[in-house]
Amino acid sequence: NAGVMQNPRHLVRRRGQEARLRCSPMKGHSHVYWYRQLPEEGLKFMVYLQKENIIDESGMPKERFSAEFPKEGPSILRIQQVVRGDSAAYFCASTNILDPGGLRGSEAFFGQGTRLTVV
Amino acid sequence: QQQVKQSPQSLIVQKGGISIINCAYENTAFDYFPWYQQFPGKGPALLIAIRPDVSEKKEGRFTISFNKSAKQFSLHIMDSQPGDSATYFCAASIDGNQFYFGTGTSLTVIP
Repeated sequence: NAGVMQNPRHLVRRRGQEARLRCSPMKGHSHVYWYRQLPEEGLKFMVYLQKENIIDESGMPKERFSAEFPKEGPSILRIQQVVRGDSAAYFCASTNILDPGGLRGSEAFFGQGTRLTVV
Repeated sequence: QQQVKQSPQSLIVQKGGISIINCAYENTAFDYFPWYQQFPGKGPALLIAIRPDVSEKKEGRFTISFNKSAKQFSLHIMDSQPGDSATYFCAASIDGNQFYFGTGTSLTVIP
């Protein structure tokens, strides 16, 4: 059972280019979260998606950032016109809320992350 | 606004000692409190979790203590080992929706 797959693992972009980060959730999972991690800043929530729906994007910058989770295929986090400050590790996590009352049903599984470097 | 406050930011413990990491929250609607462990270059992985209907949960050397009235919970690592050196995140969620994470604690266990 493959875990959450993120690719690429490392991504280098020049300022002004676009970055596309992909996340394939665990099999059967229909909920995806994206987090940004900066050194010594922990995990900052960006967006929460279900298939074809954005549930909560309150953590996502209003400009240049967008996310989608289509009916088929991976979730995509897209950063347009990247700047140096976008350099960070981006993690996605997936859950399958089949059993909200149970403990394991709420577990969020994380991918290995994509480390974006803007030069 | 930080929904979950975590301390300390870093912690150094001797091998065999007890590591204690604390978290506090404000939203009383939170009903699931997991702890994640992250090694360098890896994604966070679930370590142990608790729901607010119990005050303590133990799994091996890892224990969560939960104080509902104080809105605080903590992770205790007994007999800390160098292999426990990692970053630890507490988190809180409502019904598994929307996980809010603490800022992390970098634990170093000295041999």
